Order: sequence, then C-alpha cells, then structure tokens
Amino acid sequence: DIVLTQSPDSLAVSLGERATINCKSSQSVLYSSNNKNYLAWYQQKPGQPPKLLIYWASTRESGVTDRFSGSGSGTDFTLTINSLQAEDVAVYYCQQYYYAPLTFGGGTKVEIK
Amino acid sequence: EVQLVESGGGLVQPGGSLRLSCAASGFTFSRYWMSWVRQAPGKGLEWVANIKKDGSEKYYVDSVKGRFTISRDNAKNSLYLQMNSLRAEDTAVYYCARETEDYQIWSGYGCWGQGTLVTVSS
Repeated sequence: DIVLTQSPDSLAVSLGERATINCKSSQSVLYSSNNKNYLAWYQQKPGQPPKLLIYWASTRESGVTDRFSGSGSGTDFTLTINSLQAEDVAVYYCQQYYYAPLTFGGGTKVEIK
Repeated sequence: EVQLVESGGGLVQPGGSLRLSCAASGFTFSRYWMSWVRQAPGKGLEWVANIKKDGSEKYYVDSVKGRFTISRDNAKNSLYLQMNSLRAEDTAVYYCARETEDYQIWSGYGCWGQGTLVTVSS
C-alpha cells in the first residue's frame, strides 16, 4: 500500500501569512504515460465533509480560491495557502489515487497564530 | 445541484450487519466511479471501497475485505455498502463520494455526502 506522510501535524500561522503543508508518498504517484501525479488535497472543517481543493497535484477545483495552490511531483508534494484567512482554519488531507487501496495522509491542522 | 445523501447508519452490536445507501442526484450517476470513505470519531479519513461505473470492478481496503460489499443500482441512482460482521473499529461516519472527473478512472473526490454515523457497540 502507498503510505502518505504529512508534515507538520499542525501549524499556527498569522492572518495574511503563508501556510505550507507537505505530503510525502512512500512511492511515486506519477503515471509516466500521461505525466499526471495522482494526488489530491482536501480541506475539512469541523462537522463537515471534506472539500476537494486540488487534484492532479496542481489543478485547482472549480470555485476554489487561488490562494490555494498545489505543487510537487513523484513522491513529494506541497499545499500552499497564501494570505491565510480565518475561514482557512481546518484540517487538510492529501490523498493518492494512483492505485488501490486509495490512501489518505494523516492530516494537518491549520490554526491562526 | 449535485447531491449525495447517505442513509442507513445507526447503532449495531458487534457481529451485526448494516446496509448503507447513498442516493445521488443532479448528475448522470452511471458515468462515475463511486466510493465509500469513513472517518472514526476524532480521526482521519480512511478510504473503504470503490466501484466502477457499471459495477464490474470493485476494490476494498484490506480491513473490510470479506465483510463489506459495495454495490450500485444505476437505474435507481444509488450506491450501497453492505456491512457484515461489524467490529468496534468500524465505528465511524461513512461518506459517499464521487470522482471529480467522469472520463478518468480516478481523479479525486469532487462531491461528498454529509455522511451517516455507524456505531458498533454492545
């Protein structure tokens, strides 16, 4: 199974500053035939289902603010939240859909400093 | 409006069974792979199972293989999860989720239901 390790487990960022979350995969999720990274990022607020932010590692889901961006390839990925807002307080998860079983990272809790 | 609505959760004793349902609306259900994802209280997300558009392929996480069965009825726009031999560690909110792209096998979950709580306890 592919193991996704997120870091840090939690971080506190001042309003307007940048938050950076990392996701490391135990094996590459880059499919060479189409050059796509099979990795997504989600935001989950308390009492709500997850919300897709980014897929194919860097494609922003429709309607998601451009303050969220994804980068990386192969085994190392990053979710960046620019100019952190109060509504960004949440837990963020990465997920690989390269092959089954699909797996999620352990989550990163983002709070306001 | 794209919508997924789960039902069927509740309290069940260890060793018991439950059948979860997910009613889909607002999109062509038969064009998408569908999945179940669960979240134990205060814990992270765990993928449980998924099923191909026509039901011909199914995949499961090891911890539920042989106990859970995913199925779908495209005529009724519905997804199901039959859960047998339930254990305390199956206690979780179970979400129904839809792939974000219909022309890819898997592409990330662009649509989620609100979830249904399954509690396994004596």
